[in-house]
Amino acid sequence: NAGVMQNPRHLVRRRGQEARLRCSPMKGHSHVYWYRQLPEEGLKFMVYLQKENIIDESGMPKERFSAEFPKEGPSILRIQQVVRGDSAAYFCASSPLDFPNQPQHFGDGTRLSIL
Amino acid sequence: AQSVTQLDSQVPVFEEAPVELRCNYSSSVSVYLFWYVQYPNQGLQLLLKYLSGSTLVESINGFEAEFNKSQTSFHLRKPSVHISDTAEYFCAASRQGGSEKLVFGKGTKLTVNP
Repeated sequence: NAGVMQNPRHLVRRRGQEARLRCSPMKGHSHVYWYRQLPEEGLKFMVYLQKENIIDESGMPKERFSAEFPKEGPSILRIQQVVRGDSAAYFCASSPLDFPNQPQHFGDGTRLSIL
Repeated sequence: AQSVTQLDSQVPVFEEAPVELRCNYSSSVSVYLFWYVQYPNQGLQLLLKYLSGSTLVESINGFEAEFNKSQTSFHLRKPSVHISDTAEYFCAASRQGGSEKLVFGKGTKLTVNP
């Protein structure tokens, strides 16, 4: 049973470019969460999605960041016009309907570097 | 608003020594509590969780944590650590009845020395 798959594992972008991070949840999981980890910091919640719906985006920056979880395919976190401060590790987690009895499972993350 | 505080950013110990990683939370409502472990360049793995019932919860690899409502704490303990326990440990909370998002502490780096 494959875990949460994130790709790419490492992504390098120049300032002003767009970054697209992909997350395929575990089989049977309908909930997806995105978190950002800055150096020497814990993970910060960004957004919580179910298929075709954003449930909670209280942690998303107001500009340049967007997320989707379409009916088919992976969840996408999109960062437009990246800046140096966007450099971080971005983690995706998924869970089935039965949270918290079934916990959130995390992927290995995408490490985004901005040149 | 919830917050989670991990009081120690780094904890060095010798192999076979006991260890306690401290976690305190602040919330005006009831929460679920979790400990996750992160090995270098990997994602987080759930170590144990407290949802309700018995305040002492255990993991399969010898860790345990005790929920203390009066002290709003959820400290992680292991009586005898191994070199392989070297990792970063994160305490997290999720509001009961909320949107399921996890609020994390800043993490504690546990280094087990021979």
